[in-house]
Amino acid sequence: NAGVTQTPKFRILKIGQSMTLQCAQDMNHNYMYWYRQDPGMGLKLIYYSVGAGITDKGEVPNGYNVSRSTTEDFPLRLELAAPSQTSVYFCASSYGAGGNTGELFFGEGSRLTVL
Amino acid sequence: AQSVTQLGSHVSVSEGALVLLRCNYSSSVPPYLFWYVQYPNQGLQLLLKYTTGATLVKGINGFEAEFKKSETSFHLTKPSAHMSDAAEYFCAVSDPNTGGFKTIFGAGTRLFVKA
Repeated sequence: NAGVTQTPKFRILKIGQSMTLQCAQDMNHNYMYWYRQDPGMGLKLIYYSVGAGITDKGEVPNGYNVSRSTTEDFPLRLELAAPSQTSVYFCASSYGAGGNTGELFFGEGSRLTVL
Repeated sequence: AQSVTQLGSHVSVSEGALVLLRCNYSSSVPPYLFWYVQYPNQGLQLLLKYTTGATLVKGINGFEAEFKKSETSFHLTKPSAHMSDAAEYFCAVSDPNTGGFKTIFGAGTRLFVKA
């Protein structure tokens, strides 16, 4: 039972570099999400997807991009990394609407530092 | 619009003492309510949830929470704290009509348990 798998767990980037955080889930969930967690700020939604080929912006999308080509995968792309993107990133998934309670299943997180 | 307020960014209790973590919410529709727990260097996992029905809900590890509509509260309690309860706890609210992609998290409360 892998659940939600994120890679890498840790990464250090230089300002201006780009990278992709990978996320995969094996629960056949329709909905997937990317959150960032900053100390004392809770979790902020970056992007979400309600199914393959469909993505939408969350609360803090600037500086990020996503794609959803399959049900299983939801990578997060950081273009031109900035120190403000230093954070812990969590991928999550949930069942679709229609009886869905909204419970989220989280990966273990990816800690990104931009220097 | 929905919002969540957790009272107290840090709570310290002695082992064996009552744990009380406070959460108040605002929502224009009857919400789904959640408590998630995050252990160090891990992702969030569901502790308990309220959707409909009985207002006192029981979760894992002896925790429970009561939905009080008149007070717009969903406080988390445990009669006797254990050292293993030391973690960060997040209250969250979700609009049932959105299937989870409008989940709003509180800022979190870090629980310390003293021997």
